[in-house]
Amino acid sequence: AQKITQTQPGMFVQEKEAVTLDCTYDTSDQSYGLFWYKQPSSGEMIFLIYQGSYDEQNATEGRYSLNFQKARKSANLVISASQLGDSAMYFCAMSDFMNRDDKIIFGKGTRLHILP
Amino acid sequence: AAGVIQSPRHLIKEKRETATLKCYPIPRHDTVYWYQQGPGQDPQFLISFYEKMQSDKGSIPDRFSAQQFSDYHSELNMSSLELGDSALYFCASSLGRETGELFFGEGSRLTVL
Repeated sequence: AQKITQTQPGMFVQEKEAVTLDCTYDTSDQSYGLFWYKQPSSGEMIFLIYQGSYDEQNATEGRYSLNFQKARKSANLVISASQLGDSAMYFCAMSDFMNRDDKIIFGKGTRLHILP
Repeated sequence: AAGVIQSPRHLIKEKRETATLKCYPIPRHDTVYWYQQGPGQDPQFLISFYEKMQSDKGSIPDRFSAQQFSDYHSELNMSSLELGDSALYFCASSLGRETGELFFGEGSRLTVL
């Protein structure tokens, strides 16, 4: 069975510093996808970044990058030059591609607080 | 760009009442997912549809049912509501997960009194 682990329930980071949010996963599938979502206090679930298991390069989207280490089964999110608006809950998630329409499972999340 | 549209955004019901949530996926997306997120919890998968057929089922109570219609919109029907059903309900849509495109709506917040 698939499993996502986020070991940091909460983090406090000074504005403008870089942040790394940890995510490890467990799956026996060879083909899978990894996602990061941001959930601000308003509740919406905002897609940040995606990494496919066969992608050789780490995914990047603006200030977000995904540090994908397949052998270690980790998919950490790196936010460069953090901003006050980055304060939110962050969820790591994964899905397998054995079934094209299979569900995504989420980790427990990390609540990030950016300090001015 | 068009996003996933959910309605209503907020809903207040009494115990034992019925509620219906609607989801309009992003155009051309063929798969719809429903998730339930309790206070302080991670989203839990309820059910998904691919090309209007139920494709996977998670921890969805028997009191809940869902379907996807010919125009690809989906509805989640919840009957005999309980206090524990109070949650944020998300719909998400995708066009082939391999593309990495899985986008969520803004959620429907259900409060059961």
